[in-house]
Amino acid sequence: EDQVTQSPEALRLQEGESSSLNCSYTVSGLRGLFWYRQDPGKGPEFLFTLYSAGEEKEKERLKATLTKKESFLHITAPKPEDSATYLCAVQPLSGSARQLTFGSGTQLTVLP
Amino acid sequence: EPEVTQTPSHQVTQMGQEVILRCVPISNHLYFYWYRQILGQKVEFLVSFYNNEISEKSEIFDDQFSVERPDGSNFTLKIRSTKLEDSAMYFCADKGLVRPLRDTGELFFGEGSRLTVL
Repeated sequence: EDQVTQSPEALRLQEGESSSLNCSYTVSGLRGLFWYRQDPGKGPEFLFTLYSAGEEKEKERLKATLTKKESFLHITAPKPEDSATYLCAVQPLSGSARQLTFGSGTQLTVLP
Repeated sequence: EPEVTQTPSHQVTQMGQEVILRCVPISNHLYFYWYRQILGQKVEFLVSFYNNEISEKSEIFDDQFSVERPDGSNFTLKIRSTKLEDSAMYFCADKGLVRPLRDTGELFFGEGSRLTVL
């Protein structure tokens, strides 16, 4: 069974204080690992897809990296508007299943 | 970025009633999904829909649930005889591809429909 574990559950940062969020996963063949941002009461908003170990993607203050067992979402000099829950999800390679398995998320709060 | 549109944004119903949640996916997309998120819990897969039929469903998606695409555009989730534990956010998602061979895997989610069962 595919599993995704995210840590920490919650993270409070001062504006400008860089940090990283962790996503550990087990999957029977990885088709892709996805990062989403979710604001309260809203749907997940797509950020990145990573397909293979060593791959990196960047978008503004965010950078996602991938190894064979985990992914990191690095946040550089965050701003209050980066406050949200960040979700990690994996998509399996095998079988007919194309659904995503999500982690519980990391709730990020950036204080001004 | 194209949008997936969901209605209603919030529905309150009495236990035992039937509800229909609606979704307008991005046009020309082929794969559609329903996910749900109980307050404070993970986003969970319910069902995937391709070529006007269910392609995959989770153990959550029992006989109480059904999906259809009645008019080629709207995509609906019907929940019969609602229970208190059905209270959740229900998200429609579709896959950003037109041809099956160009599968980038990314799902685009709607804003969700909050269902409250009393």
